[in-house]
Amino acid sequence: GENVEQHPSTLSVQEGDSAVIKCTYSDSASNYFPWYKQELGKRPQLIIDIRSNVGEKKDQRIAVTLNKTAKHFSLHITETQPEDSAVYFCAASIGNSGYALNFGKGTSLLVTP
Amino acid sequence: GAGVSQSPSNKVTEKGKDVELRCDPISGHTALYWYRQSLGQGLEFLIYFQGNSAPDKSGLPSDRFSAERTGGSVSTLTIQRTQQEDSAVYLCASSAGQGIPLHFGNGTRLTVT
Repeated sequence: GENVEQHPSTLSVQEGDSAVIKCTYSDSASNYFPWYKQELGKRPQLIIDIRSNVGEKKDQRIAVTLNKTAKHFSLHITETQPEDSAVYFCAASIGNSGYALNFGKGTSLLVTP
Repeated sequence: GAGVSQSPSNKVTEKGKDVELRCDPISGHTALYWYRQSLGQGLEFLIYFQGNSAPDKSGLPSDRFSAERTGGSVSTLTIQRTQQEDSAVYLCASSAGQGIPLHFGNGTRLTVT
């Protein structure tokens, strides 16, 4: 099947610093790219998403960029806080049906005070 | 309103036994998905249902896995003759339509002894 590669697998930053997580995908028909945050023992929850007709989207401290030509997209978290510590998953739609998603393997982010 | 509900929350079974996992999606959501999350791993797509269309079963790992969705609502994931490698958290999600964010349940933690 089509793959979504995510890097890094772990990321440690100090409170207030920025964190960047990068993903690449292989399915050129993918047109929907969400990011999920999963706190320990809890369900994944959507934090931001972007569609293929948009290059960048921002929501307060979180931003996502998409480069369709290069087939990569990134999550940027600015002014990180300890409560941002979690596992973050990127995903790409399987084809352009927009329904099912392929997920990356996740990035464990640790924000230290 | 209620979110996606999964039962049981935990299931311990002996190798070789069959198990059934249940998912109640958010009312009105037409799409329903099953994912599997192994320890420290990403979310592995298993199957999804959209309305009355035939389900996309492309992610099911073997013919021991099957899923049904009755009446366009509740879904059951069945694993026959369970193996130890089936141990994982099985997550169900639903969405209102194409490209609409997935809402995850809390998952069923399956342990095969």
